[in-house]
Amino acid sequence: EVQLVESGGGLVNPGGSLRLSCAASGFTFTSAWMDWVRRAPGKGLEWIGRIKSKAAGGTTDYASPVKGRFVISRDDSRNTLYLQINSLKIEDTAIYYCARLSVVATTVIWGQGTLVTVSS
Amino acid sequence: DVVMTQSPLSLPVTLGQPASISCRSSQSLIYSDGNTYLNWLQQRPGQSPRRLIYQVSNRDSGVPDRFSGSGSGTDFTLTISRVEAEDVGIYYCMQGSHWPPYTFGQGTKLEIK
Repeated sequence: EVQLVESGGGLVNPGGSLRLSCAASGFTFTSAWMDWVRRAPGKGLEWIGRIKSKAAGGTTDYASPVKGRFVISRDDSRNTLYLQINSLKIEDTAIYYCARLSVVATTVIWGQGTLVTVSS
Repeated sequence: DVVMTQSPLSLPVTLGQPASISCRSSQSLIYSDGNTYLNWLQQRPGQSPRRLIYQVSNRDSGVPDRFSGSGSGTDFTLTISRVEAEDVGIYYCMQGSHWPPYTFGQGTKLEIK
C-alpha cells in the first residue's frame, strides 16, 4: 500500500526546535521528489519546500517565509523524509503534511499530517 | 510568486445542484513547454488533501465524473455538475507552472444548504 506516515509533532515553546519525520512505503522513495505542506488553523494550504531525489541532485527549495529556519532532508536507506524546524514562532502552529506532489499524471500522495503547536 | 485568487470563498449549495469555483492567477500559467500546470484539490473535514484535477482538466483516477476543470491562461474553473453530500469540504487551486514555490488559492469552503 502506498503510504506516507508523519510523526514528531507536538507542543513546543516559541524559539524551540522540532524535527518531523515522514516514513514512506509502497513506492520508490529514492526516485521521488518530496514536499512539505502545512495548514495553519483557519487558513489554507501553504507549500513549505521540496527536496529532489539524489539522482536529480538532492537539492532543496523553500518558500520565502521559512527559508533559513526550516531544513528538509532525506534518508533513502530508511525511506524517510525529515523537516527540521528551528526558531519556532506562534504562526508556525499548523498541521504539517509530507507529500509527493505532482502537476502531471503522476499519482499524488499525502500523509495524514502531524500537528505542531507553538505556545508558551 | 504567483498569487492565486479564488472566488467565492464560501459556497452553500443545495444537494443535486451544480457548483462552480473560480481561480485566477496573477500571471499566465502557460509553461514554456506549452502545458498549463493548474491543479484542483479537495480537503474533506478531518482528512488530508486529495488532488482531483491536474493540468486544468484531467481527472485523477477515482474522481467522479461530476467534477470537471476548465480554463486557460489566468482564469480557471472547477465545476461540480450535481453536488453530493460527500463533496463538503474545502477546494483549492494550485499552480505548478512557476515554482518554486507552488502556490495555492485561499480555499473555497463548500457546504450543503
